[in-house]
Amino acid sequence: QVQLVQSGAEVKKPGASVKVSCKASGYTFTSYDINWVRQATGQGLEWMGWMNPNSGNTGYAQKFQGRVTMTRNTSISTAYMELSSLRSEDTAVYYCARGHRSYDYVWGSYRPNWFDPWGQGTLVTVSS
Amino acid sequence: QSVLTQPPSVSAAPGQKVTISCSGSSSNIGNNYVSWYQQLPGTAPKLLIYENNKRPSGIPDRFSGSKSGTSATLGITGLQTGDEADYYCGTWDSSLRGVFGGGTKLTVL
Repeated sequence: QVQLVQSGAEVKKPGASVKVSCKASGYTFTSYDINWVRQATGQGLEWMGWMNPNSGNTGYAQKFQGRVTMTRNTSISTAYMELSSLRSEDTAVYYCARGHRSYDYVWGSYRPNWFDPWGQGTLVTVSS
Repeated sequence: QSVLTQPPSVSAAPGQKVTISCSGSSSNIGNNYVSWYQQLPGTAPKLLIYENNKRPSGIPDRFSGSKSGTSATLGITGLQTGDEADYYCGTWDSSLRGVFGGGTKLTVL
């Protein structure tokens, strides 16, 4: 079955970086985007960005530009999200999610659409 | 503040129907598909509805979605205690950046 399995919980100090992995199985890794979404405790979902595993192309939310890097290793079907200059407000559960695109006849191109499935989440705690 | 606006909470009795609204603008919902996600306590979000009104296999027809203009709605009929969860709408903005609603907590009384 299609599955995304993420790396384990991390504890980091302010100013440090964290790299979370997301291993895909059950489908062709390079055929779907990988998106990253985070959720602070008791808060809603916040989209961070997407990566095309085939081309390596990325798109980031403006809020994270300059601090986030999304990469992949196609030989092991794994995507990575690295967030640098961590601060306490970055404490959250980070999710990867497979992104589906669909053809939009109005725009004449494939556009991003829904997320399915999601990884189990990785708790990143930033504390001194 | 989330880009898409959802009511913080809704509630209804078992067996009843509930709707959850998601309001946006022409730069997001108005020109893109909407999807809905269910997040049970302590778990990752799960896809409920995609492309405004389509259900993935395994999602019961008690769940439905619709979109009109710059708003979308999730409907749940025949409420069960197991439906108690947070529900999120999601779509894309004009720069193809993902956006979510703030989430709605469903309580089945």
